[in-house]
Amino acid sequence: EVQIVESGGGLVKPGGSLRLSCAASGFSSSNAWMNWVRQGPGKGLDWVGRIKSRAEGGTTDYAGSVNGRFTISRDDSKNTLFLQMNSLEVEDTAVYYCVADIRRENCFDSWGQGTLVTVSS
Amino acid sequence: DIQMTQSPSSLSASVGDRVTITCQASQDIGDYLNWYQQKPGKAPKLLIYDAFNLETGVPSRFSGSGSGTDFTFTISSLQPEDIATYFCQQYDTLPLTFGGGTKVEIK
Repeated sequence: EVQIVESGGGLVKPGGSLRLSCAASGFSSSNAWMNWVRQGPGKGLDWVGRIKSRAEGGTTDYAGSVNGRFTISRDDSKNTLFLQMNSLEVEDTAVYYCVADIRRENCFDSWGQGTLVTVSS
Repeated sequence: DIQMTQSPSSLSASVGDRVTITCQASQDIGDYLNWYQQKPGKAPKLLIYDAFNLETGVPSRFSGSGSGTDFTFTISSLQPEDIATYFCQQYDTLPLTFGGGTKVEIK
């Protein structure tokens, strides 16, 4: 059974940093395109970025609003994905979902339960 | 960035009604469009991929159509468990973008 569990959310001051983790089980995350998608309070969905499968080079892509501040990485030995968030802004406040494209690329078919990041002074 | 405009933003319908949601892309995206359902307090769930393909296990009352810039999502007979917010998402061009969502309620 596919399971995705995020952790690491919390309260951080503007300008601060936070690292989210995403533990995958039931599939090999190195074989999937892995994404982070966020949802601000009462708002819609916002794609943050992704890391492609190892077979496709493990390259990363980011939304413009986080490019240069956020970094996605992966530890294949632990089947875990990370989101390093630096220079956090109030507008980054959201539930962050780890999402896997297991069956098809660019189709978010497996989601974690999300972890809340609150950026506030 | 490609803008995805969903309408309506909310709707209220009776059980058994046919419900239609539209999604318009700001440029041609072919059929690179997915639809998701998000129930309150839960993560979204993929329902439709590539504009009209039903994800495994999704009831057949859900369907999608369209290509290019104009897409439609339909629930043929609304059920109480379909109360949720529905989002479209394009994957033709980075950044991947979502529509603003349509909240479906029971009248």
